[in-house]
Amino acid sequence: GAGVSQTPSNKVTEKGKYVELRCDPISGHTALYWYRQSLGQGPEFLIYFQGTGAADDSGLPNDRFFAVRPEGSVSTLKIQRTERGDSAVYLCASSFGGGPRNEQFFGPGTRLTVL
Amino acid sequence: GQQVMQIPQYQHVQEGEDFTTYCNSSTTLSNIQWYKQRPGGHPVFLIQLVKSGEVKKQKRLTFQFGEAKKNSSLHITATQTTDVGTYFCAGYGSSNTGKLIFGQGTTLQVKP
Repeated sequence: GAGVSQTPSNKVTEKGKYVELRCDPISGHTALYWYRQSLGQGPEFLIYFQGTGAADDSGLPNDRFFAVRPEGSVSTLKIQRTERGDSAVYLCASSFGGGPRNEQFFGPGTRLTVL
Repeated sequence: GQQVMQIPQYQHVQEGEDFTTYCNSSTTLSNIQWYKQRPGGHPVFLIQLVKSGEVKKQKRLTFQFGEAKKNSSLHITATQTTDVGTYFCAGYGSSNTGKLIFGQGTTLQVKP
């Protein structure tokens, strides 16, 4: 596609529920990143994929968060037993090649609200 | 862990005035990137600085990377209402991973 797409654009769920957030990167981009952005803050790194493998998952806050990218393209961020503190905008980005020196292209984000 | 700090958090200027935001890292950076996020939008890449002391210009925007590669600045000359948004610096550490650490951003408001 022309840019990074994310679905859904908005997700409202109840505390304790499971959610999946999807990211479609730019075609041909081998690196994919997930961030979380709270109001008034900069994007907070969660995880980075190079191809199918998670090259750095040090930003995942706890074991309720998990992400996959089984075919090296689309990625899904999974959050179990959601808590109110998980409410934020979840941003996905992709780049041509991973690591430093590469411009990241961000998607529009998924706004997650946990009631 | 690595931290990236930006000041000021907010800046209100009259159209035509200059604007500067400053970025400081707790550790030496391999490179630094700047992004702009319009209200309700997502971050959009502006530029990347790699070399110590590097200065780059984009029309009215001037970006600098400090000699020690621990700080950076963005200066906008003669602001326009189209400059409104939040400007983020983001740095990579020296570990050569894809982990990009963002500052908390400086939100610029421009009064016409």
